[in-house]
Amino acid sequence: AQSVTQPDIHITVSEGASLELRCNYSYGATPYLFWYVQSPGQGLQLLLKYFSGDTLVQGIKGFEAEFKRSQSSFNLRKPSVHWSDAAEYFCAVGSMDSSYKLIFGSGTRLLVRP
Amino acid sequence: NAGVMQNPRHLVRRRGQEARLRCSPMKGHSHVYWYRQLPEEGLKFMVYLQKENIIDESGMPKERFSAEFPKEGPSILRIQQVVRGDSAAYFCASSPRQFPGGTDTQYFGPGTRLTVL
Repeated sequence: AQSVTQPDIHITVSEGASLELRCNYSYGATPYLFWYVQSPGQGLQLLLKYFSGDTLVQGIKGFEAEFKRSQSSFNLRKPSVHWSDAAEYFCAVGSMDSSYKLIFGSGTRLLVRP
Repeated sequence: NAGVMQNPRHLVRRRGQEARLRCSPMKGHSHVYWYRQLPEEGLKFMVYLQKENIIDESGMPKERFSAEFPKEGPSILRIQQVVRGDSAAYFCASSPRQFPGGTDTQYFGPGTRLTVL
């Protein structure tokens, strides 16, 4: 069965430090990949998406992600974290049989130290 | 352009009551999706609707749950005879189109947090 794994439940970084959030997926074909951010009590905001083409994707708020087919990964990065980035981050993949059916990872909660 | 609207934001029901959750998609979007998020988990797909049609309800429990997206008005997710296990956040998303063989970006609403006492 298809799945999305976010191995880190919590990550704490200092403000200004770099960030990498991991995402691995199991999928039989070229996937559609997404990163969403959820602030407490809020809905999900799309950070970036990968459908095809350049494997390094730029998103909003200074985030980027790189699709690596050989590693089945789509890790999210940011060179310098701001306190306002503290939130929960979800990686998602479009289902192989029904691409509209997003399969989400369990999320990574980011804490930012002042 | 307003985003996806959901109401109510918070809903409290006693066991056995009915819960009705509403979702208004973004302007120009004709595809609506409902997801459920249990505490400490990611979102799980429930149902995909277009205007007046249920396209895929494979993620929806067979009993007590129903969804509709009428020609006029918001999409409604209805849960009859709620139980404590229905307590969760229910998110609606919308997209403008589904091109053949592909997908389109889903934009999410703020969610409805259902608490069953």
